[in-house]
Amino acid sequence: DGGITQSPKYLFRKEGQNVTLSCEQNLNHDAMYWYRQDPGQGLRLIYYSQIVNDFQKGDIAEGYSVSREKKESFPLTVTSAQKNPTAFYLCASSRNRVTSSYEQYFGPGTRLTVT
Amino acid sequence: AQTVTQSQPEMSVQEAETVTLSCTYDTSESDYYLFWYKQPPSRQMILVIRQEAYKQQNATENRFSVNFQKAAKSFSLKISDSQLGDAAMYFCAYRSAGNDMRFGAGTRLTVKP
Repeated sequence: DGGITQSPKYLFRKEGQNVTLSCEQNLNHDAMYWYRQDPGQGLRLIYYSQIVNDFQKGDIAEGYSVSREKKESFPLTVTSAQKNPTAFYLCASSRNRVTSSYEQYFGPGTRLTVT
Repeated sequence: AQTVTQSQPEMSVQEAETVTLSCTYDTSESDYYLFWYKQPPSRQMILVIRQEAYKQQNATENRFSVNFQKAAKSFSLKISDSQLGDAAMYFCAYRSAGNDMRFGAGTRLTVKP
């Protein structure tokens, strides 16, 4: 089945530690995205990538980093510089970023708790 | 910058009844797409319906339909014959060519048996 997988579903870390969230897709989509979801707020864009080896900052990139070495994979690292990292993180993909008609498909999300 | 507003943080509906969720957006673009996503308790985001701005006809998907008023920049979602499985967070989203998707804050829908 084609889709997006995120692992793990729940992640716990101590403050000051970096943590990497996994996102893999087998939809052959060019564009991939990372969103953060907090209670009472919509999804906010952290980073996006339109092609391999290229990525751009979204609205709230500070304290996060990404890589796109393969088309299928777009891991997100939450660094110790992120002041409030506890949140629900969603990965998404779409055929490309330019064509607005292409909806985004989402993974199941990762709930990160930092204490 | 484009913004999307969902003015109803919570809504409730009786099973088998009809409910309408509101969404307004702000844009200067003429070509764009609008989407409604559903997020059930599993938190998986699921596309419910989408509307092309250049189409006057309102999109319909089974029990889900939209009322798209381009001049008023309004995009409401109507759910007919509500079912218990419709209970979820619903997000309105906007996207124009070459730009990022913008999401509203969401409306939590409760379905009462």
